[in-house]
Amino acid sequence: QKEVEQNSGPLSVPEGAIASLNCTYSDRGSQSFFWYRQYSGKSPELIMSIYSNGDKEDGRFTAQLNKASQYVSLLIRDSQPSDSATYLCAVGGANNLFFGTGTRLTVIP
Amino acid sequence: EAQVTQNPRYLITVTGKKLTVTCSQNMNHEYMSWYRQDPGLGLRQIYYSMNVEVTDKGDVPEGYKVSRKEKRNFPLILESPSPNQTSLYFCASSLRFLLDEQFFGPGTRLTVL
Repeated sequence: QKEVEQNSGPLSVPEGAIASLNCTYSDRGSQSFFWYRQYSGKSPELIMSIYSNGDKEDGRFTAQLNKASQYVSLLIRDSQPSDSATYLCAVGGANNLFFGTGTRLTVIP
Repeated sequence: EAQVTQNPRYLITVTGKKLTVTCSQNMNHEYMSWYRQDPGLGLRQIYYSMNVEVTDKGDVPEGYKVSRKEKRNFPLILESPSPNQTSLYFCASSLRFLLDEQFFGPGTRLTVL
């Protein structure tokens, strides 16, 4: 059983602050890593994908991957109330995707 | 508009009554997948398909069947639904597995009484 672990939260940050979301995974052979955002009652939507060690930035979002530590994170800068959602970490195996249980983020105006 | 559609969106049924949830994508994607989402357990993969006539089990395949006769359609079949299959189901597709974004359908909320 391949495991993907996330802190379930809830995580609360004030508007304008940096939100930091973390994820660890158990399968050292994993090659692809994703962060999805899911609003309540909606389907997941992709925010970031990352495949190699280091940082990847896209607007206010930065994904960080450390394969040696089996750790992937998502930073959200200048957090907005519209960022309030559940964030799902997903890790790619040979043929399928394993999801964490998600971290619920609340951005307080 | 590029999208993944699922039908029905909501379904209440009784134990043992066969049902099918349809999934269709209009993006010519090769990879399609079914997930169920339960509180505290997250998204778990039921079945996936790498292409037409190629399907395989995910993490929680028991009690489910799928078929992939056409590239665009990937129905999920519950031959004899049970209450423990009450869940929120998502279909997803991507052009190629893992290298491309998976697009999710809107979800089907199933209740089995």
